[in-house]
Amino acid sequence: NAGVTQTPKFQVLKTGQSMTLQCAQDMNHEYMSWYRQDPGMGLRLIHYSVGAGITDQGEVPNGYNVSRSTTEDFPLRLLSAAPSQTSVYFCASSHRTSGYTDTQYFGPGTRLTVL
Amino acid sequence: GQQVMQIPQYQHVQEGEDFTTYCNSSTTLSNIQWYKQRPGGHPVFLIQLVKSGEVKKQKRLTFQFGEAKKNSSLHITATQTTDVGTYFCARPPRGAGSYQLTFGKGTKLSVIP
Repeated sequence: NAGVTQTPKFQVLKTGQSMTLQCAQDMNHEYMSWYRQDPGMGLRLIHYSVGAGITDQGEVPNGYNVSRSTTEDFPLRLLSAAPSQTSVYFCASSHRTSGYTDTQYFGPGTRLTVL
Repeated sequence: GQQVMQIPQYQHVQEGEDFTTYCNSSTTLSNIQWYKQRPGGHPVFLIQLVKSGEVKKQKRLTFQFGEAKKNSSLHITATQTTDVGTYFCARPPRGAGSYQLTFGKGTKLSVIP
């Protein structure tokens, strides 16, 4: 299994451009999430999905869209990039097991710079 | 309400010294998870604590969950250079799974050889 994969690894955008960050998992996990990580801020939840066709907002959703047409894929779209969206973006997936143990598996991240 | 406070923000230790990071919440936690992120890497799940007063060990790492389920700690005995990285605690909201985690800001550990 490849686990959680993300593309691209690095991206530079100009203000106002749009782009899609790709995320895929091959573990048949129901749950997928997008986080952004900024220095000194920890990880903050952008959007999440509990299954194909179901998405919801996290703590910092403004400026981002998501969709979940398949179990495997959960792309994150930046509609009109702004310098404040310069960050490292992590996609994660998890599978609800019996009890509470639902480990999140993170992808390698996409490092985005908006000029 | 949902935040978790983590201290210290940074810790520099000599190799062989012990290290502890603390995670505190103002509200009762259903469970707490711990992750490690190596420099330039992604967060990797270490453990989940669920029960009041729970203590779990992984080799030199000891994890504790407070009796009131409002705080947790990670203790590393005799640190090694391989322990370098940032340690995060994370909590799910009430009634939700780990797909909605709220992370602490992390404790960055440096180990001086």
